[in-house]
Amino acid sequence: DAKTTQPTSMDCAEGRAANLPCNHSTISGNEYVYWYRQIHSQGPQYIIHGLKNNETNEMASLIITEDRKSSTLILPHATLRDTAVYYCIVRPGGSQGNLIFGKGTKLSVKP
Amino acid sequence: GAVVSQHPSRVICKSGTSVKIECRSLDFQATTMFWYRQFPKKSLMLMATSNEGSKATYEQGVEKDKFLINHASLTLSTLTVTSAHPEDSSFYICSAPSRTGYNYGYTFGSGTRLTVV
Repeated sequence: DAKTTQPTSMDCAEGRAANLPCNHSTISGNEYVYWYRQIHSQGPQYIIHGLKNNETNEMASLIITEDRKSSTLILPHATLRDTAVYYCIVRPGGSQGNLIFGKGTKLSVKP
Repeated sequence: GAVVSQHPSRVICKSGTSVKIECRSLDFQATTMFWYRQFPKKSLMLMATSNEGSKATYEQGVEKDKFLINHASLTLSTLTVTSAHPEDSSFYICSAPSRTGYNYGYTFGSGTRLTVV
């Protein structure tokens, strides 16, 4: 699976948009970009995934650059409960192999 | 959506004893279960992969005789930490893939905090 690079940590003010970047410059054509988050002492939670088009769901938006070498997860109105470690993972479509977790970004939402 | 129930959520045991962790898929059949371990302030590391009806495959450096995995049914996988020692204290998490169209979604258990004293 392609390697991803994320900032170690980020801060965001409550109510503001949180923009979490991910670099995946070696992504191949059939690999999807997935985002998961892990709130302290809980199992990871799926957020969103995409291939090349921008995606939006009730939790977040995913913006993928045209060359697919990077993406941004957007939490439009961050709350204190969004404080978590966010993981960007790329993996082949249709694969049911294990997810490989990098170090992720620790997002701290502050009042 | 798919749910994986993991129990217990936390357990404290004495050195030398064994602890069993259960993961059940509640509304789907989990033919595969991934078991991860997470140390404080670290990322999740895959320990082993269990497949229903067959032997588990372990990642390099994980002792299969110490971490016994059983996947006897399509809805239950268990991890038993045998002869636990303080260095086995960690956060253990299971995860099962389920088909969602072309791709697979991954549902995680809520994790088990194991403390060996």
